[in-house]
Amino acid sequence: DQQVKQNSPSLSVQEGRISILNCDYTNSMFDYFLWYKKYPAEGPTFLISISSIKDKNEDGRFTVFLNKSAKHLSLHIVPSQPGDSAVYFCAAKTQGAQKLVFGQGTRLTINP
Amino acid sequence: GAGVSQSPRYKVAKRGQDVALRCDPISGHVSLFWYQQALGQGPEFLTYFQNEAQLDKSGLPSDRFFAERPEGSVSTLKIQRTQQEDSAVYLCASSPTLGDIQYFGAGTRLSVL
Repeated sequence: DQQVKQNSPSLSVQEGRISILNCDYTNSMFDYFLWYKKYPAEGPTFLISISSIKDKNEDGRFTVFLNKSAKHLSLHIVPSQPGDSAVYFCAAKTQGAQKLVFGQGTRLTINP
Repeated sequence: GAGVSQSPRYKVAKRGQDVALRCDPISGHVSLFWYQQALGQGPEFLTYFQNEAQLDKSGLPSDRFFAERPEGSVSTLKIQRTQQEDSAVYLCASSPTLGDIQYFGAGTRLSVL
């Protein structure tokens, strides 16, 4: 039972353009969502998060959008840079719980 | 400052062997988490500690898996009688307090032959 799904295993974007990574979830009890970025041979690194009381959170080039009615969130990266090439994981947690539930990840490649 | 450190980085075990994986969290971090990441999948929760107390071990796949954090700092994940399906990357994460952002180590890649 995959509660958090990233349906695109990979995404290729030209440098300077916008990258949009998508994530869907099924558990309506999730109230906090995070995006992690992972380079090869390294652990996941926290990127940005959003609480369910908001529908948008922005940090520099990164913006996360949350659509609770659709149980969908997305990560926008603009402009995309070569260093953004990595695997991106969407994660979620319920109120009071500590464990993170991760999606399968999306490999983003930024082409020069 | 130093991040989360895990050792060994790679471990090859013969089926049936016991293994012990170590995690050194960020100094002062109260919470410590273990996750298992199979090839091509996202990390899956195994267990977590608040100081030395193991508060949730619902993700441990069988009684062959055991985790401890006796002094509230370093943690060890032990797998007894390893099987091929145990092959995965084992990730450790720590956070300053419960509910804070989790900071991950680079993981231990376990291969069971």
